[in-house]
Amino acid sequence: AQTVTQSQPEMSVQEAETVTLSCTYDTSESDYYLFWYKQPPSRQMILVIRQEAYKQQNATENRFSVNFQKAAKSFSLKISDSQLGDAAMYFCAYRSEENQGAQKLVFGQGTRLTINP
Amino acid sequence: DSGVTQTPKHLITATGQRVTLRCSPRSGDLSVYWYQQSLDQGLQFLIQYYNGEERAKGNILERFSAQQFPDLHSELNLSSLELGDSALYFCASSVAGSELQETQYFGPGTRLLVL
Repeated sequence: AQTVTQSQPEMSVQEAETVTLSCTYDTSESDYYLFWYKQPPSRQMILVIRQEAYKQQNATENRFSVNFQKAAKSFSLKISDSQLGDAAMYFCAYRSEENQGAQKLVFGQGTRLTINP
Repeated sequence: DSGVTQTPKHLITATGQRVTLRCSPRSGDLSVYWYQQSLDQGLQFLIQYYNGEERAKGNILERFSAQQFPDLHSELNLSSLELGDSALYFCASSVAGSELQETQYFGPGTRLLVL
């Protein structure tokens, strides 16, 4: 079974600085998707960024980018120019194709990010 | 706003009771997923439905059941509730649930408290 590990329960960063959140996963599959979701205090799950395993180019979305190292099974999230609104719980998630086309997300335990003004 | 709606937002009930959580997927989405977020278990996949049929099961207890109706809304039924069932229950939807590149969009969740 696939597992996702986020080794940093909490992180903090000064406003306007850069922070990197770590994620590793375990799988024997060759094709899959990786995601970062953000969960602010409202508890809504918001997609931040996604990466397909077959694409070597790291995904970017404005201030958010990933460092995808397939061989190392590592998928870190970099947030540049951190803003107060970035404060949230961040979840790394893995998705593969289960049998008969069913797909579930496997989540890490989350990293709580605090932004210091 | 993801377009996925869930009702109710909050639910307080007693042990041994039964509750029903409701989810309406985004317009056009055929697949619905249920996830449970609890302090000790984190975010866990429970079950997936596609166009009315069960497609995948995760760590869903036998006391829990779900269904997807012809209008594509879904209900998660939780019975014989225990204190440990207190959690945030999310519904998510995607277009078909069969393609890797599909994004799952999450609803705001239903917070269940079992006293």
